[in-house]
Amino acid sequence: GNSVTQMEGPVTLSEEAFLTINCTYTATGYPSLFWYVQYPGEGLQLLLKATKADDKGSNKGFEATYRKETTSFHLEKGSVQVSDSAVYFCALSDRGGRRALTFGSGTRLQVQP
Amino acid sequence: GAGVSQSPSNKVTEKGKDVELRCDPISGHTALYWYRQSLGQGLEFLIYFQGNSAPDKSGLPSDRFSAERTGGSVSTLTIQRTQQEDSAVYLCASSLAQTGRTEAFFGQGTRLTVV
Repeated sequence: GNSVTQMEGPVTLSEEAFLTINCTYTATGYPSLFWYVQYPGEGLQLLLKATKADDKGSNKGFEATYRKETTSFHLEKGSVQVSDSAVYFCALSDRGGRRALTFGSGTRLQVQP
Repeated sequence: GAGVSQSPSNKVTEKGKDVELRCDPISGHTALYWYRQSLGQGLEFLIYFQGNSAPDKSGLPSDRFSAERTGGSVSTLTIQRTQQEDSAVYLCASSLAQTGRTEAFFGQGTRLTVV
């Protein structure tokens, strides 16, 4: 079946630090990959996505590259801000199998000023 | 509407009672999903509706859970004989088509507490 594994949190960083949140996946087909973010008190929202191998999704300074050879989709940001404090979820949609999103367990990021 | 709307936002119920959770998707979205988010956990898939196709119910945890989508729009998730382990935030999402191609938009969720 499909699964997504992401690093456990919380991740605590100082402002302007470099961020990496690891995400690996298993899928029966050829999935699309996503990062969703949940800010405090808000609903889940799409942060970025990539639909094929070697694609790079980017948004708000965040980036993730679809690596088929390592089945990974790690989230990175060069310089985090306090406003980036949130829970980040890696997810996949397997077009060859279940089409609903399969989510990782989430990683809480806390950025300190 | 402007976004996915869920009601109620909070529900406290006694163990053994039935509850209904409602989701109004974005107008025109053919795909609708229900997920459950337990405290400190990821999102657990429950059920998926796509147009007039038979729903994917493979994520429903027991036969106490059921969902329907009337007229291809509003959906209701029903939990019968609620148990304490049903306490969670229930999230609804909708998208124009399958999520591989278009973004899924999530509602704010219904926080269910079974006492």
